[in-house]
Amino acid sequence: DSGVTQTPKHLITATGQRVTLRCSPRSGDLSVYWYQQSLDQGLQFLIQYYNGEERAKGNILERFSAQQFPDLHSELNLSSLELGDSALYFCASSVTQGTSYGYTFGSGTRLTVV
Amino acid sequence: TQLLEQSPQFLSIQEGENLTVYCNSSSVFSSLQWYRQEPGEGPVLLVTVVTGGEVKKLKRLTFQFGDARKDSSLHITAAQPGDTGLYLCAGAGFSNAGNMLTFGGGTRLMVKP
Repeated sequence: DSGVTQTPKHLITATGQRVTLRCSPRSGDLSVYWYQQSLDQGLQFLIQYYNGEERAKGNILERFSAQQFPDLHSELNLSSLELGDSALYFCASSVTQGTSYGYTFGSGTRLTVV
Repeated sequence: TQLLEQSPQFLSIQEGENLTVYCNSSSVFSSLQWYRQEPGEGPVLLVTVVTGGEVKKLKRLTFQFGDARKDSSLHITAAQPGDTGLYLCAGAGFSNAGNMLTFGGGTRLMVKP
């Protein structure tokens, strides 16, 4: 157990639908990162939050949004889902805003859009 | 476009063999990390290298950071089936994503008993 909790572990939904992925960071970590992992694109950075504020955006589609709540858990919202959104979505956390201490990843949410 | 190129993409070897995985870029990293990912799990941090030319050892794994901080290698001695997994390098310091980690495409290693 890495200490980063992601729910649900698996999600199957239809095209056009909206889903919410949830992440609880490791205790004491203030930064949360969301990554998308697909077979052809590898791990792609989506967005980072630090202590409730958005810090950086990567290749995140406009249909996707995220937030970090006062208790530091984060949610990634995916809407108007397309088949190509099927992927593993990982949340990672770190104690600082930077990368010096590395990231601790959760076990991921496998999203299948049918 | 991958900013970090890993090679080889796939590697299948017998138990006891040695292997080296490479991570290359045309950009300079402030630091580089190696992760290992098993099926159904998230990546797990193995090591962080910061100084050009730095060498770190973790049991049978040896990590080296290039002098110019543009490349890195991971060498495994006497590989065991438990080493099977996806090895990912990740670079820090790319301005297009702030201070985020950018991951390479990974090397999928299979060690046969």
